[in-house]
Amino acid sequence: QLQLQESGPGLVKPSETLSLTCNVSGGSISSNAHYWGWIRQPPGRGLEWIGNIYFTGNSYYSPSLKSRVAISVDKSKNQFSLRLTSVTAADTALYYCARLRTFGGVFETWGQGTLVTVSS
Amino acid sequence: DIQMTQSPSSLSASVGDRVTITCRAIQTISTYLNWYQHKPGRAPKLLIFGASTLQSGVPSRFSGSGSGTDFTLTISSLQTEDFATYYCQQSYSSPRITFGQGTRLEI
Repeated sequence: QLQLQESGPGLVKPSETLSLTCNVSGGSISSNAHYWGWIRQPPGRGLEWIGNIYFTGNSYYSPSLKSRVAISVDKSKNQFSLRLTSVTAADTALYYCARLRTFGGVFETWGQGTLVTVSS
Repeated sequence: DIQMTQSPSSLSASVGDRVTITCRAIQTISTYLNWYQHKPGRAPKLLIFGASTLQSGVPSRFSGSGSGTDFTLTISSLQTEDFATYYCQQSYSSPRITFGQGTRLEI
């Protein structure tokens, strides 16, 4: 059974870089039937798509975050990562990693989420 | 990107009620529309994909319909465990994704 687990610092200072990793177990990140994505939920607000990556390294980002975000994949470790630069308090959110099925474009499996707070 | 608008943003209902949530796309997306249920402290759960196909294990009281720009999620008889926030998500431009802003369903 596929499981996703986010990890990374829970506190990041303003203007610094947020870095999170999603470990994939019970399945291969090199699946040709899936993308791997990041979604966030700021406190009291809705879900916001951040970006997706294919195991080949092809990545796609939200237009509103594109200038600050990078998603990478490490096939040897079966994990993928998120980097968000120049963070502000508006980047405080619950961050989820998820697997996106290419057929239908559905997020069929999610991690439990990790809270990242941006504060000095 | 393809903007998605849900209505209402919140909804109060009672156990046994029939409720409908609407999602509208800014452009036609055929039936590339998915619905998720999200409860606090838990990961979002896929309910319906392709506008009307029920995900395995999801109770039959949930149903989806629509195509083009207008879509609905209907819960035929609300149960206690259905009180949550519901999101639509377009996959027409997948892997570029957009979520609706969510509909909070309250008792």
